[in-house]
Parts: sequence; structure tokens; C-alpha cells
Amino acid sequence: RKEVEQDPGPFNVPEGATVAFNCTYSNSASQSFFWYRQDCRKEPKLLMSVYSSGNEDGRFTAQLNRASQYISLLIRDSKLSDSATYLCVVTLIYNQGGKLIFGQGTELSVKP
Amino acid sequence: EAGVAQSPRYKIIEKRQSVAFWCNPISGHATLYWYQQILGQGPKLLIQFQNNGVVDDSQLPKDRFSAERLKGVDSTLKIQPAKLEDSAVYLCASSLGASPLHFGNGTRLTVT
Repeated sequence: RKEVEQDPGPFNVPEGATVAFNCTYSNSASQSFFWYRQDCRKEPKLLMSVYSSGNEDGRFTAQLNRASQYISLLIRDSKLSDSATYLCVVTLIYNQGGKLIFGQGTELSVKP
Repeated sequence: EAGVAQSPRYKIIEKRQSVAFWCNPISGHATLYWYQQILGQGPKLLIQFQNNGVVDDSQLPKDRFSAERLKGVDSTLKIQPAKLEDSAVYLCASSLGASPLHFGNGTRLTVT
């Protein structure tokens, strides 16, 4: 089983649609969770952290379910500029730092 | 704040040749990571340094890959000899403590 597994893509949606990405992780000791965004031929960039209580940043909402070891990202009113690959990231913290494990990514294509 | 610097941006070599990549992290970031990202996949951690010590190199193919961070600042990643399956983007990232990663632009390696 992969350590971090995401919905296989690509997701093709019209502008204005709501889209949700799901991610599961296998290690229950995982402590921090993030969503990164990666544009074509660019490096990954932090989109948002994911907190236990759930958090929202504009049109983006992230949720964490520790019991089910599940993370989600919801994008409302999607824009053309949201087209990118979304990477789920899980961190294991230990004495010397943290180990970040990336999912394989889910590609989103928003069409006019 | 200057970002993570990587060079070269692109490299094309023949199989069995050697190649080296360089990374200069953000000033003050103690943790430095090298990731390999094959097309269509998420980044895979190759090696993680805390200052000049190796924290995790469990997924580094040590028969052909080596990395060093001698003075705890910049780092080099070497592949010798290269194989066709090493074609990928090699991403360097740095972080301060448990803060999110900051990635460099990456080096796109093509092995022919």
C-alpha cells in the first residue's frame, strides 16, 4: 500500500464548478498535512496547511479526518487559473526534523 | 528573501555518463531535501540533510547516487553511472524546523 494515495486524475471541470480531491495516508503517526499546487513544468508550492478542525482560505477548504486517515481539498467556483496538479503531503515528525511524503498528485483542468 | 537556487536547469546525458546537480538553500534553513520527480508522479524523497548530517537516505539508490552537504549549506547530488530510468526532475527543497518546504526550480535530466 502506498504511504500517501490520491484520487487518480485528471479531473476536467467547467469554470464555476466545485471539485473535491481526496487523499488517504497509511501511517497513523503522521502529524502534519499539507496541500501543494504544482503548475506544469514548475516546482510544487504550498497551497495550504490542513488542520484537524478544518480550515478555509477563500475558495479552498481543507479537511482532515485522523480516524479515517483521510484528507480532502474542496475548491469552490473554480477558475481557469486553478488548473494544476494538486499534491497531498503528509509529514512524520521525529527528533531531527520531519519527513514529508508526497502523494502522486491529482491533475485538475478547468475549462471555459 | 532569495529562494532555493538550483543548477543547471536542464541536462541531457547519455546512459552510463555521470552528472552532478547543485543546490543552495534559503539562508538559515537547516534542513535540505533532494527529491526525484518522474513525469506523472509525485516527488519522491531521495535524501534529507539536517545541517551537514544525513537524516534519511533510505530511498537513495546508493550504488549510483551520492549526495553531500559538507559545510551544512549548499549541496550536490551526483549520479554515476546514469540509467535511462533516472530521467526526471530533481528538486531541491529547504525548510526551517517543521515549516513547509520551499522548492527550487529543479533540474530536468534527460538520459538518452
